[in-house]
Amino acid sequence: DAGITQSPRYKITETGRQVTLMCHQTWSHSYMFWYRQDLGHGLRLIYYSAAADITDKGEVPDGYVVSRSKTENFPLTLESATRSQTSVYFCASREGVLAFFGQGTRLTVV
Amino acid sequence: GNSVTQMEGPVTLSEEAFLTINCTYTATGYPSLFWYVQYPGEGLQLLLKATKADDKGSNKGFEATYRKETTSFHLEKGSVQVSDSAVYFCALSPDTGNQFYFGTGTSLTVIP
Repeated sequence: DAGITQSPRYKITETGRQVTLMCHQTWSHSYMFWYRQDLGHGLRLIYYSAAADITDKGEVPDGYVVSRSKTENFPLTLESATRSQTSVYFCASREGVLAFFGQGTRLTVV
Repeated sequence: GNSVTQMEGPVTLSEEAFLTINCTYTATGYPSLFWYVQYPGEGLQLLLKATKADDKGSNKGFEATYRKETTSFHLEKGSVQVSDSAVYFCALSPDTGNQFYFGTGTSLTVIP
């Protein structure tokens, strides 16, 4: 199916563990984004990427790492998960002025 | 800087009621403006957009007009349905740069 696929959809992990959230697009959009969604904060930008091997920090990058070796993939890694990183994470891509979102990953850190 | 402020929720309406969700923005230049909708358990979907002043975006009975003089982009629908229950996000994309800026979201519940 065309679009953005995030995996896993749900994840429970323990404090201190490393966890990677995957994002794959079937288009060839240059720009990709990672957001976290929290009650009262809406969507906050974690990292974004303008192209393969080009990434930049957003509003809330601390504790996260990204990579983009291929245009279609943009994984987000929590190096040592903390309870404050419990959230819903959305990956998105951009074409022109429009943003396209994945279905999200609900991450719980216990 | 760029920012979006939208009406706090949650909003609860009866079916067929009139809906307004207020949205104002701060941006330099001429941003594009959007409303995105998020149904339970899903990602955000574009509802409508406007790319220049005085444009009216419309879709599925929802409308919003880009008002540069009041820096607003309020969402309206004349008669809501139960199926409109969702979270609505106002957003902007500046005319320079490639990020999007989102409001905090407004939860709408429509009761029969």
